[in-house]
Amino acid sequence: DTAVSQTPKYLVTQMGNDKSIKCEQNLGHDTMYWYKQDSKKFLKIMFSYNNKELIINETVPNRFSPKSPDKAHLNLHINSLELGDSAVYFCASSTRTAKNIQYFGAGTRLSVL
Amino acid sequence: AQKITQTQPGMFVQEKEAVTLDCTYDTSDPSYGLFWYKQPSSGEMIFLIYQGSYDQQNATEGRYSLNFQKARKSANLVISASQLGDSAMYFCAMREELAGGTSYGKLTFGQGTILTVHP
Repeated sequence: DTAVSQTPKYLVTQMGNDKSIKCEQNLGHDTMYWYKQDSKKFLKIMFSYNNKELIINETVPNRFSPKSPDKAHLNLHINSLELGDSAVYFCASSTRTAKNIQYFGAGTRLSVL
Repeated sequence: AQKITQTQPGMFVQEKEAVTLDCTYDTSDPSYGLFWYKQPSSGEMIFLIYQGSYDQQNATEGRYSLNFQKARKSANLVISASQLGDSAMYFCAMREELAGGTSYGKLTFGQGTILTVHP
């Protein structure tokens, strides 16, 4: 069983379109995250939710809207896609222990044409 | 200012030898966590090892150990007995505690080091 699963794995779309990436975790964690990895492999946090409540929002354009229907799911919706949105998007989850180790999904490679 | 610095863009090691991947960090927070992740060519991010700022001993997980030198603000990853499957990109990351002792979990990553293991 995959612990943190993201769908789709690949997403190719045209500029201006709206798309969603889904993330689900079966680890029983209470906190979920979205990270963006750019073409230079640099990883940066975008959002974090704890028990469905937004706790981190890192200066991400408001075209990006995370939605957490429950603590096992954190979806990412992107409106009006731009070329610069092309990247790999990772979902992660953790639980608020002292270590707070984040476990990542396999990533979604988004290509905006 | 860069909070996590990995100064080695690429490293090479012979199979079965040990290799050290460097990581330095910058924080004024007395409580923080340090992590290493592996990203193979297939793209997933795999957690390897964790070190807490208050941990007295260096963390070890199988062939991975973390050489934690708090005064120097370094957290180098040591891989012993390298295997071909260790070829990947390795990321050092830090999680700082926010004021009030509540960890929101935000990880700040370094630039990564590409490790190539030669047979």
